[in-house]
Amino acid sequence: NAGVMQNPRHLVRRRGQEARLRCSPMKGHSHVYWYRQLPEEGLKFMVYLQKENIIDESGMPKERFSAEFPKEGPSILRIQQVVRGDSAAYFCASSPQGTGELFFGEGSRLTVL
Amino acid sequence: GQSLEQPSEVTAVEGAIVQINCTYQTSGFYGLSWYQQHDGGAPTFLSYNALDGLEETGRFSSFLSRSDSYGYLLLQELQMKDSASYFCAVRGGVSNDYKLSFGAGTTVTVRA
Repeated sequence: NAGVMQNPRHLVRRRGQEARLRCSPMKGHSHVYWYRQLPEEGLKFMVYLQKENIIDESGMPKERFSAEFPKEGPSILRIQQVVRGDSAAYFCASSPQGTGELFFGEGSRLTVL
Repeated sequence: GQSLEQPSEVTAVEGAIVQINCTYQTSGFYGLSWYQQHDGGAPTFLSYNALDGLEETGRFSSFLSRSDSYGYLLLQELQMKDSASYFCAVRGGVSNDYKLSFGAGTTVTVRA
């Protein structure tokens, strides 16, 4: 039973390029969450999705960031025109439904040059 | 919104007991969770309290007092492998929003 799968694990982009981070939740999980973590800091909530629906995007910057969780395929976090401040670890988590237990992936580490 | 406060770091020796406190403010409350993270790796679930009282899972226990908006994680018989960051997280807000908001984390360092 595979856990939450994120790819790529590491991504390097130059300023102005686009970054696409993918997340496949655990089998049977319909809730996906994206968090951002800067070094030595906590996990900052970005967005919470269920299949084909964005439930809460209150933590997502209004510009350049978008997320989706299509009916088929992984959830995608897309960052357009990246800037150095976007450099961080982006964690995806999934849950079966409405529990306090999230299952996290290993994260995608984005470095913007 | 939600806000959580926990100490930034704790140091203790092997075999000791450590208590990490967490106070929270939230509009609507559904439960308090604790997660462990080693060196920037994947956070892993430790415990969840929806009701007042103590939940025990092996060497780790978690406590919740909803009236005080307070909880703690108790680490007993500390081992070197317990050196990690520990985050409290609260599920709050409206009933159909299951997002968790995390505290800034407590770095626990276990010394020999």
